[in-house]
Amino acid sequence: EVQLVESGGGLVQPGGSLRLSCAASGFTFSNFEMNWVRQAPGKGLEWISYISSRGTTMYYSESVKGRSTISRDNGKNSLDLQMVGLRVEDTAVYYCASGGYFHDYWGQGILVTVSS
Amino acid sequence: DIQMTQSPSSLSASVGDRVTITCRASQDISSWVGWYQQKAGKAPKALIYASSYLQSGVPSRFSGSGSGTDFTLTISNLQPEDFATYYCQQYNSFPPTFGQGTKVEIK
Repeated sequence: EVQLVESGGGLVQPGGSLRLSCAASGFTFSNFEMNWVRQAPGKGLEWISYISSRGTTMYYSESVKGRSTISRDNGKNSLDLQMVGLRVEDTAVYYCASGGYFHDYWGQGILVTVSS
Repeated sequence: DIQMTQSPSSLSASVGDRVTITCRASQDISSWVGWYQQKAGKAPKALIYASSYLQSGVPSRFSGSGSGTDFTLTISNLQPEDFATYYCQQYNSFPPTFGQGTKVEIK
């Protein structure tokens, strides 16, 4: 069974930083592209970052470009998203999702709240 | 960025009904559309990819169609577990973008 489990969320002050992690199991992680998608409270879905299966190609949405770094460790079946310079508008549930731009499987999500 | 416009934004339906949700892209995206179901407080679940292909394990009462700019998700014989919010997504062009969602509620 495919499982994606996010961790690392919480309350952070504006301007602060956070590292989100996603632990993958139930599939050959190293063969799959991965993404981060977020959802602000009561809002729709927003794709924010992509990484290729080998970790050599990364893409970011304009909303997080320059403030976020996606990375992966295929030996540990894990995906990370490092975020700095957090803003109030970054408050959202963050999901890791497998696949290319079509997201086959999703984690349960982790809440990030940016507030003073 | 390609805009995906879903309609309606919400609808009320009864168990057993046939429901249709449409999604219009701001430019031609071939058949690179996916549909997701999200229940309250839960993660999205993939239903359909490439406009009309059912994700593994998804009931056959779900179907998708369309190409170019106009796409449709149809749920035939609506079941109690189908009450949720549905999102379309284009993945023809970077960045991938989602529609604003359609909430399917119980009448």
